[in-house]
Amino acid sequence: GENVEQHPSTLSVQEGDSAVIKCTYSDSASNYFPWYKQELGKRPQLIIDIRSNVGEKKDQRIAVTLNKTAKHFSLHITETQPEDSAVYFCAASLGAGGGADGLTFGKGTHLIIQP
Amino acid sequence: DTAVSQTPKYLVTQMGNDKSIKCEQNLGHDTMYWYKQDSKKFLKIMFSYNNKELIINETVPNRFSPKSPDKAHLNLHINSLELGDSAVYFCASSQDLTRAAEAFFGQGTRLTVV
Repeated sequence: GENVEQHPSTLSVQEGDSAVIKCTYSDSASNYFPWYKQELGKRPQLIIDIRSNVGEKKDQRIAVTLNKTAKHFSLHITETQPEDSAVYFCAASLGAGGGADGLTFGKGTHLIIQP
Repeated sequence: DTAVSQTPKYLVTQMGNDKSIKCEQNLGHDTMYWYKQDSKKFLKIMFSYNNKELIINETVPNRFSPKSPDKAHLNLHINSLELGDSAVYFCASSQDLTRAAEAFFGQGTRLTVV
């Protein structure tokens, strides 16, 4: 089955700086890669996603890049703000954005924004 | 108007007990899921349920059984609870199986087995 590795497990950056979280996946058949943000005690929420036919996608301060050859994808957050502090999960899924196997998650990155 | 709601939010129980967690979605989605998040925040799928078809993650003990009375509900029953079952359990739903990545999560149920 699919295996997703995520690094780092904890990331501390100064407010206003950029943060990058990296993930690798094992199953070359995976073709949909969402990112979730989970604030303390709350549910995971989808913040951005990318499909395998796209190399990069941006949404305001958040961007995701995908390298299918190397089987890795990354989340980039620019101009970080205190409200960006949370645990971020990458995930991979098979098929056209899903499947019975659901999502395979990375182990999460605790992003801490230092004021 | 909560899209995916779970009850209870917190559940503390003794080893050996049987407990249930309820989940309801009002999004009209066809597919529902149960995920387990352990103490290290690792999220892992337990079940997918779509059109009365249940897909079970092979690593889930058979003490766990989902039950779906209708398309909008997927409850999780756990028999003979063990200490290692302590975790946060998330219910989720998606429009269908092809959109699992766009799943909307419930707020979670924190289960503590003592």
